[in-house]
Amino acid sequence: DAGVTQSPTHLIKTRGQQVTLRCSPKSGHDTVSWYQQALGQGPQFIFQYYEEEERQRGNFPDRFSGHQFPNYSSELNVNALLLGDSALYLCASSLGRTHTDTQYFGPGTRLTVL
Amino acid sequence: KQEVTQIPAALSVPEGENLVLNCSFTDSAIYNLQWFRQDPGKGLTSLLLIQSSQREQTSGRLNASLDKSSGRSTLYIAASQPGDSATYLCAVRPMDSSYKLIFGSGTRLLVRP
Repeated sequence: DAGVTQSPTHLIKTRGQQVTLRCSPKSGHDTVSWYQQALGQGPQFIFQYYEEEERQRGNFPDRFSGHQFPNYSSELNVNALLLGDSALYLCASSLGRTHTDTQYFGPGTRLTVL
Repeated sequence: KQEVTQIPAALSVPEGENLVLNCSFTDSAIYNLQWFRQDPGKGLTSLLLIQSSQREQTSGRLNASLDKSSGRSTLYIAASQPGDSATYLCAVRPMDSSYKLIFGSGTRLLVRP
């Protein structure tokens, strides 16, 4: 049973560029959440997708956008990259119908903005 | 606004010691609390999930307790091993914003051989 997978593993971009990160949820899961983790900090919630729609959003600017596909996989897009966007981006999947489900995290994508 | 705090930020212990990691949260209105392990540069591995109606959960050498009224949780690790070295994060699922997890900054644990 494949767990949550993310691609790419590492990415280097320059300021002002755009980036797309990808996530495939754990088998049987229909909900994907994205988190940003700066060095030495806990992850911060970006947004969650359920039934191909953004269900909830954290305190992130509109430069951060996403998409969920019919197969439940998801993309995170970040436009006009800033140096401060350098972080580990984590994807988590779950069954979105309850408030008590466990979230399973992927290995993350390390984004470096130069 | 829910805030999660983990103390200490770092901990170094000799192998074999029993240890306790602490997590506190400011708002007791939560659905559950989850403990995670993170190895350097890697993703999060879920260790234990405690629902708000539960007092504790156990898995192997790990035991997590939850005191919702006081806003505290502890993760107890018995007979620590060098392989336990990692960062341990706790996260709560608040009732007023139930689709996200709110994390503490973690406790970085080093178990010395």
